[in-house]
Amino acid sequence: GAVVSQHPSWVICKSGTSVKIECRSLDFQATTMFWYRQFPKQSLMLMATSNEGSKATYEQGVEKDKFLINHASLTLSTLTVTSAHPEDSSFYICSARRGGLTDTQYFGPGTRLTVL
Amino acid sequence: GENVEQHPSTLSVQEGDSAVIKCTYSDSASNYFPWYKQELGKGPQLIIDIRSNVGEKKDQRIAVTLNKTAKHFSLHITETQPEDSAVYFCAAKGSNFGNEKLTFGTGTRLTIIP
Repeated sequence: GAVVSQHPSWVICKSGTSVKIECRSLDFQATTMFWYRQFPKQSLMLMATSNEGSKATYEQGVEKDKFLINHASLTLSTLTVTSAHPEDSSFYICSARRGGLTDTQYFGPGTRLTVL
Repeated sequence: GENVEQHPSTLSVQEGDSAVIKCTYSDSASNYFPWYKQELGKGPQLIIDIRSNVGEKKDQRIAVTLNKTAKHFSLHITETQPEDSAVYFCAAKGSNFGNEKLTFGTGTRLTIIP
């Protein structure tokens, strides 16, 4: 299957700082990328959908000014958690979908964010 | 919007036996149904998927069946092995423009007992 990478795999930061997470599709071009958040023992919660070159579409209840998403190229999307607080601590997972008619969506390995 | 229910939430199976996880969906327009396996601390891994024009798909020990009339689909794992222990998520995706996101089930924690 296709490979999606995330960096960093884990990050610890102080409250009030910003953290950037990168998501790359390594062997295919992803016209659409997704960002999810997952709490312990829970399902995946979609935060936003981003298409290359256009603004991200955020799910209801997700603050777009807090979670900045940039999908600058067909292989790279970034999520920046601005002014992070302890309640933002979570497992963030990106996903990428190939272009065309395919539905297949591949996930990255996730980033564990801990805000102190 | 789409709603996906998944059962059971936990499942323990003796090694070598079969495991079955079931999901139901609400939107009859959904046409794509993937299954993901998630190990602790890792991202979900696609293990098998099925589209609405097919009733069954098999890949070695894993199979998925789809009943469009009843709006449910199931994951079948045969000859289970310890490495099958993980959390499994089903998902459904709509076919309508603007409704192209996956809706996930709540997950099933599968434990294979050696």
